[in-house]
Amino acid sequence: AQSVTQPDARVTVSEGASLQLRCKYSYSATPYLFWYVQYPRQGLQLLLKYYSGDPVVQGVNSFEAEFSKSNSSFHLQKASVHWSDSAVYFCALSMYGGSNAKLTFGKGTKLSVKS
Amino acid sequence: AQTIHQWPVAEIKAVGSPLSLGCTIKGKSSPNLYWYWQATGGTLQQLFYSITVGQVESVVQLNLSASRPKDDQFILSTEKLLLSHSGFYLCAWSPQVSGNTLYFGEGSRLIVV
Repeated sequence: AQSVTQPDARVTVSEGASLQLRCKYSYSATPYLFWYVQYPRQGLQLLLKYYSGDPVVQGVNSFEAEFSKSNSSFHLQKASVHWSDSAVYFCALSMYGGSNAKLTFGKGTKLSVKS
Repeated sequence: AQTIHQWPVAEIKAVGSPLSLGCTIKGKSSPNLYWYWQATGGTLQQLFYSITVGQVESVVQLNLSASRPKDDQFILSTEKLLLSHSGFYLCAWSPQVSGNTLYFGEGSRLIVV
């Protein structure tokens, strides 16, 4: 069965510092991989997605993620965080091949940016 | 551009009372539609999905039901709420073709007391 692990429940960084949020997945083939962000009391917003091609994908708001098949990872990165990046970040995978684009989510990482 | 609207934004309901949450998608014809549930502080779990009007598939059993009365509308309901129904309910859509990317609404927060 597929699964997504986000090993860090909480991450705190200073404004202007670089950021890496970790995501490991378990799936026999290469899945669709996503990062979503959830601001307080809001829905999920898509940051970026990956299926094939260049393992480094660019997303909104200067976020990028790097896919590693050998490590089964899809880590999210940002060179310089802003206080407004404080939110919960979810990594997810999809094995879409039929009518249900079911996403399997990790438990999320809560990012706090200190000013 | 596509927009997704959920209602109500929040509800406080009593155990045993009925519930109806709604979701409308504008600007996209015949989308696939989904309901997800997020327990407080938890991850997201898919509840239902629908690929066409009148057809809904249940993914997990939580004493909830869903219906798709129109192409652009998805309804989540129950006749009797349980305390365990509390949480955040998110509606999402994906394109029918190459529909692996989900786009979420703003969610409806439910507190059952």
